[in-house]
Amino acid sequence: GAVVSQHPSRVICKSGTSVKIECRSLDFQATTMFWYRQFPKKSLMLMATSNEGSKATYEQGVEKDKFLINHASLTLSTLTVTSAHPEDSSFYICSARDRSSGSYEQYFGPGTRLTVT
Amino acid sequence: DAKTTQPTSMDCAEGRAANLPCNHSTISGNEYVYWYRQIHSQGPQYIIHGLKNNETNEMASLIITEDRKSSTLILPHATLRDTAVYYCIVRGGGADGLTFGKGTHLIIQP
Repeated sequence: GAVVSQHPSRVICKSGTSVKIECRSLDFQATTMFWYRQFPKKSLMLMATSNEGSKATYEQGVEKDKFLINHASLTLSTLTVTSAHPEDSSFYICSARDRSSGSYEQYFGPGTRLTVT
Repeated sequence: DAKTTQPTSMDCAEGRAANLPCNHSTISGNEYVYWYRQIHSQGPQYIIHGLKNNETNEMASLIITEDRKSSTLILPHATLRDTAVYYCIVRGGGADGLTFGKGTHLIIQP
């Protein structure tokens, strides 16, 4: 149980285009999902918290107009990188918390590797 | 969330127990100790968490000192597939995102 998927697993796009990444909880409902970014040889950094049916909460320094987050259902959150630039190239990882679980562990997706050329 | 300190890297022989330490001297009474690991180019994987008592599951054991200022994650019989970066995270209960430190790069040697 507690499986989180991401699509696509890797994407290459040209500078100036937008890219959408999907995060799905496959066997549980997730009221809250999280988006992280990881640069090579660095640790994960939390970008934003996504709550179903409400606006996302962004961490300091993360541009909300550049990284659009939509959490339209209890099993799906999307991250859209708008007008992508090479410096946005990174490993993007989502996680979800099981709504029915009494604990707070998060289950992570496999990640999406974005390369902007 | 309280700050944690972990060794940068560790080696362990395959089949032996891997003991990964974590210091969290500023932990407060309502904060849990969580362990995750990240195998190269994959998303992190939840391992175990605890508050005061030692915990064990099918993956690992977590030993928390009585003063709660440090803990040890034990992988009882390490295999090559356990090579990963292991993150010790201290946080209170709640729906907040996780703050990852640099973790320990555990290398299992054949």
